[in-house]
Amino acid sequence: GQQLNQSPQSMFIQEGEDVSMNCTSSSIFNTWLWYKQDPGEGPVLLIALYKAGELTSNGRLTAQFGTTRKDSFLNISASIPSDVGIYFCAGLKNSNYQLIWGAGTKLIIKP
Amino acid sequence: EAQVTQNPRYLITVTGKKLTVTCSQNMNHEYMSWYRQDPGLGLRQIYYSMNVEVTDKGDVPEGYKVSRKEKRNFPLILESPSPNQTSLYFCASSPPGRVQETQYFGPGTRLLVL
Repeated sequence: GQQLNQSPQSMFIQEGEDVSMNCTSSSIFNTWLWYKQDPGEGPVLLIALYKAGELTSNGRLTAQFGTTRKDSFLNISASIPSDVGIYFCAGLKNSNYQLIWGAGTKLIIKP
Repeated sequence: EAQVTQNPRYLITVTGKKLTVTCSQNMNHEYMSWYRQDPGLGLRQIYYSMNVEVTDKGDVPEGYKVSRKEKRNFPLILESPSPNQTSLYFCASSPPGRVQETQYFGPGTRLLVL
């Protein structure tokens, strides 16, 4: 089935650094979602975006709905050890369709 | 506490031995679904259910069955497991409305088929 292109696949960063990741698609989406999965747990929704160009923050996390509606970005500022995990993007064309998921970005933080 | 529970959390089995992974939610949600997660592939939907007695195939339904006899339970059945079904499985449920955006995920079931 269709999948989003999420990059990077993994990130090895120092504590305190900023993090950027993105998702792209050849299709237009009406909703973009960003999830985080902690080790041994299920994904948890971080941010939902519903309009092209929308910029939404959740603490140190900021996500943007790309203006072309074919991409989305997630930034984490001043990373801390509890930020480790796998971050997934997911796109939704409309409520009658299933979510399309990215492959995930694994974030590893060096102390 | 509002939650989605899955059992077992870990399972090792052999090819061809039927198994069931249970999923239960205590939030009175109508929508429930099953996903499998594989490295490099993200989450792929196996089956979903809009309500009791209403189920439908997701992206990767082959080799799986589901049933929805009660609102709270949505078991995943592997009639004859094969090694390519070794994966991490997640159950999820959603309240009415934006069912796709408001999914609550269970803790996952890690399955190894030998």
